[in-house]
Amino acid sequence: AQSVTQLGSHVSVSEGALVLLRCNYSSSVPPYLFWYVQYPNQGLQLLLKYTTGATLVKGINGFEAEFKKSETSFHLTKPSAHMSDAAEYFCAVIRGGEKLTFGTGTRLTIIP
Amino acid sequence: DTGVSQDPRHKITKRGQNVTFRCDPISEHNRLYWYRQTLGQGPEFLTYFQNEAQLEKSRLLSDRFSAERPKGSFSTLEIQRTEQGDSAMYLCASSLPGLAGGETQYFGPGTRLLVL
Repeated sequence: AQSVTQLGSHVSVSEGALVLLRCNYSSSVPPYLFWYVQYPNQGLQLLLKYTTGATLVKGINGFEAEFKKSETSFHLTKPSAHMSDAAEYFCAVIRGGEKLTFGTGTRLTIIP
Repeated sequence: DTGVSQDPRHKITKRGQNVTFRCDPISEHNRLYWYRQTLGQGPEFLTYFQNEAQLEKSRLLSDRFSAERPKGSFSTLEIQRTEQGDSAMYLCASSLPGLAGGETQYFGPGTRLLVL
């Protein structure tokens, strides 16, 4: 079954520091990969996605992710954290079918 | 494009009562999805529609749950004889499929259900 694993349920970084949120997927066929962000008591907003083509994907709010087939990874990064980045982040995958399968999420805290 | 809307945003009910939630997708989107999110977890797929046809249902969708999309526009999710374990955030999403696949699903704000 297609799944994603997010390493680290909680990540804390200082304001201005690098943000790195990890996601690994299990698949024998490259999937479609997504990162969503969820602010408290709100729905999910798409940050970025990988379908085909360039493996470095740029998204909104300065985030980017790199699809690495050899490592089955799709880690999310941002060079400089901002207080407004504090939220829950979900990695998700579609392989065949249409439904999204989500990881368990990583709560990002920004330290002033 | 006014986004996906859901109503109500919050619902408190007593165990055994029936509840119904509504989702209005982005107007030109023909696919509509329902997900359930419990505290501290990622959303889990429940069911999805293409136009008015319900194409897939998760085993999470017990016989107490029913979803409809009668005219291929808005959708309703009904839970009969609610149980405390039904307490969760119910999320709706919509998409417009393309030839390449991997289309973006746009999520609504969710309906938070609390069963007492």
